Amino acid sequence: DIQMTQSPSSLSASVGDRVTITCRASLSIGTYVNWYQQISGKAPKLLIYVASNLESGVPSRFSGSGSGTDFTLTIGGLQLEDLATYYCQQSYSLPFTFGPGTTVDIK
Amino acid sequence: QVQLVQSGAEVKKPGASVMVSCKVSGHTLTQLSIHWVRQVPGRGLEWMGGYAPEDKETIYAQNFQGRVTMTEDTSTDTAYMELRRLRSEDTAIYFCTTGSQGSLLGTNFDYWGQGTLVTVSS
Repeated sequence: DIQMTQSPSSLSASVGDRVTITCRASLSIGTYVNWYQQISGKAPKLLIYVASNLESGVPSRFSGSGSGTDFTLTIGGLQLEDLATYYCQQSYSLPFTFGPGTTVDIK
Repeated sequence: QVQLVQSGAEVKKPGASVMVSCKVSGHTLTQLSIHWVRQVPGRGLEWMGGYAPEDKETIYAQNFQGRVTMTEDTSTDTAYMELRRLRSEDTAIYFCTTGSQGSLLGTNFDYWGQGTLVTVSS
């Protein structure tokens, strides 16, 4: 199975800050990474697909980049409603696997 | 707009089975590829399996092989996930979600049900 790791496991930032979350795959997976946001008590929500494509309706402050084994989710101007846990997911091979998550807290 | 509405919370004893339903609206089930993902409380997300449109079959994660069955009733646009021989470690929130229509390669999960909490306790 492809292992996905994320760093940091949690972070605290102020409204307006630029926030970067990193995801690393245990082997090269091209650009087959998706990013999800999960607000406490809710289902995950797709933010970014195939590394850098913004899902319809998602604010443009969210962006994704990377290829191979290293990927990044950036929130370009943190908002209060971005308080959530963020997960990466590889869709390169079965079984699909998720990273352990990064919890974003607002200072 | 696709909506997925799941059945309510369940409490089961170890060794029992549970069936979770996922009612689709806004599309017909035949237009979608349903997958199931679970989340142990306070933990991460685990893919359990889903429909592979190109292969026209359901694929299960190895961790659940032999214990899980995913089925669909196209007459009611409802998908089902049955998990058997439950153990305490199966206590989790179970989500249905929609995957890509073509190849599994590049699948992303764009619509999600609200989740169903299954508690396994003696």
